[in-house]
Amino acid sequence: QKEVEQDPGPLSVPEGAIVSLNCTYSNSAFQYFMWYRQYSRKGPELLMYTYSSGNKEDGRFTAQVDKSSKYISLFIRDSQPSDSATYLCAMSGGNTGNQFYFGTGTSLTVIP
Amino acid sequence: SAVISQKPSRDICQRGTSLTIQCQVDSQVTMMFWYRQQPGQSLTLIATANQGSEATYESGFVIDKFPISRPNLTFSTLTVSNMSPEDSSIYLCSVERQLNTEAFFGQGTRLTVV
Repeated sequence: QKEVEQDPGPLSVPEGAIVSLNCTYSNSAFQYFMWYRQYSRKGPELLMYTYSSGNKEDGRFTAQVDKSSKYISLFIRDSQPSDSATYLCAMSGGNTGNQFYFGTGTSLTVIP
Repeated sequence: SAVISQKPSRDICQRGTSLTIQCQVDSQVTMMFWYRQQPGQSLTLIATANQGSEATYESGFVIDKFPISRPNLTFSTLTVSNMSPEDSSIYLCSVERQLNTEAFFGQGTRLTVV
């Protein structure tokens, strides 16, 4: 079983739609949860960072962590064509030393 | 956030040759990380580079194939040696704001081996 599972998509939505991206994980010791956005031919860019369970909102983006279910989500409201990218989840902390564990990424296209 | 400059951004290399990738950070950091990103796969950690000591390699990666230098607290290089087409990938340099939190990445080096 992989440490982190993420649906690779691709996901295609119309402009203005609400997008839901999800990851599940197996290691209950993870404490830090991150979402990265990666445009084509660019490095991953940190989008959201959450410690432990709960919600965090930043503009049109909301990150949710449910540690009891080992499930994290990223919601994008009023999606824009500029949101078209690959989104990667990442986790670290607990008994993992300094290592990060990444999902494979979900490719998102927002159609104007 | 940290500003990370990585070069070259891309290269096409002949098999059997070596390529050195450079990573420059705008602030001093204790640890720098090198990742490989292959299509359809998650980022894979190659090694952790500490200044003044040998890099620590993850399972499946060896120093002879991926030698790393870390001459100071803002710079590191990764060399991909004796390349084969299987080494074609994106290589990424990364730093962390604090241990285990908020990793930041360079723009990546897209390597194609022919």
